[in-house]
Amino acid sequence: GIQVEQSPPDLILQEGANSTLRCNFSDSVNNLQWFHQNPWGQLINLFYIPSGTKQNGRLSATTVATERYSLLYISSSQTTDSGVYFCAVGYNFGNEKLTFGTGTRLTIIP
Amino acid sequence: GAGVSQTPSNKVTEKGKYVELRCDPISGHTALYWYRQSLGQGPEFLIYFQGTGAADDSGLPNDRFFAVRPEGSVSTLKIQRTERGDSAVYLCASRAGTYAYEQYFGPGTRLTVT
Repeated sequence: GIQVEQSPPDLILQEGANSTLRCNFSDSVNNLQWFHQNPWGQLINLFYIPSGTKQNGRLSATTVATERYSLLYISSSQTTDSGVYFCAVGYNFGNEKLTFGTGTRLTIIP
Repeated sequence: GAGVSQTPSNKVTEKGKYVELRCDPISGHTALYWYRQSLGQGPEFLIYFQGTGAADDSGLPNDRFFAVRPEGSVSTLKIQRTERGDSAVYLCASRAGTYAYEQYFGPGTRLTVT
């Protein structure tokens, strides 16, 4: 099956810092989602981004499908950004099940 | 509108017992998924429903696990003869339909088998 690798596994930053999270995947996909799992365990949708670039406030994401990677950018970090960020990939027009990476744990220190 | 809901939020059971976990998808969503998340890992796919039928159950670990969605809305994940290794957070997700690709997740049920 498809492999999804995320880096770094852990990231500790001061409030206000910027960060880049990376997701590499082993096969062509046409579904890619970024999620934030908050400390209570809820998975929150950040981006549906199988290709291209999107921005939403302080967050943006870029997927280069031909090179099989995606990047999530967080600017001006806040303590509420803490949690685990997951990249998940899949194939549309099939069953669209998602394969998740192991996540990046982000800790923002006040 | 209301998101995906799951009940119970926590379930503690003894080894060998039977449990049922419930998922209420977003209203009108035709596709429903069950995933399982172990500590420190990303969610792993269990089963996918399109409407009432299980379109893909390839992620179910063994025949102790079964899921139904009789009316194409609410789904129940059933686990027989629970084992300690079944302890995990069970997540449900729904998706609007054929040309809507984002999955939306519920808060999960934390299952602990003692």
